[in-house]
Amino acid sequence: ETGVTQTPRHLVMGMTNKKSLKCEQHLGHNAMYWYKQSAKKPLELMFVYSLEERVENNSVPSRFSPECPNSSHLFLHLHTLQPEDSALYLCASSQYSGRGGEQYFGPGTRLTVT
Amino acid sequence: DAKTTQPTSMDCAEGRAANLPCNHSTISGNEYVYWYRQIHSQGPQYIIHGLKNNETNEMASLIITEDRKSSTLILPHATLRDTAVYYCIVRPLSGSARQLTFGSGTQLTVLP
Repeated sequence: ETGVTQTPRHLVMGMTNKKSLKCEQHLGHNAMYWYKQSAKKPLELMFVYSLEERVENNSVPSRFSPECPNSSHLFLHLHTLQPEDSALYLCASSQYSGRGGEQYFGPGTRLTVT
Repeated sequence: DAKTTQPTSMDCAEGRAANLPCNHSTISGNEYVYWYRQIHSQGPQYIIHGLKNNETNEMASLIITEDRKSSTLILPHATLRDTAVYYCIVRPLSGSARQLTFGSGTQLTVLP
């Protein structure tokens, strides 16, 4: 595997379910990100893990919970979601050096909440 | 972050050059111009970035005006696979890793 991979690619879940999205990067980067892309809306940054620190968008509801056990893996734990949470969830990684760095994105997980 | 303005959509004939403009009139001296694209239902793909000099790579060329208030992404020979939403983003050299803000972009459609 190369680049950034995400599993599953598609997920349908009920509002009472608990599920997790997984992201893995094979690029040796030290920063990972979760984005949400709803239909016809710009990408919205949800969480950043950089140099083992967590940065988050304060508007993200607590029903989304990220976990970054190491620099190569990132999870997004989901529980009691709402239908409006249906979206494409994208993971990205970069080499964060304090001078930016281009981000490389995975293919995304298409989430449908029923 | 400086705000960017891009046309909502553009068409380009296959084989011709696609020139995608971006205005960033409030850009500050420590901000780069980045371009990404997103093919339908896929993750965004990094294309190119620059500070003030023109840049070229295997995918595209980036032309930044001398005053840095605007830039143009050039795809020299557009193909049908270049149909995508193209995002112009300005981003500081340093600061929080979160500062990569995607706008609405330009929907480029390459026509056969």
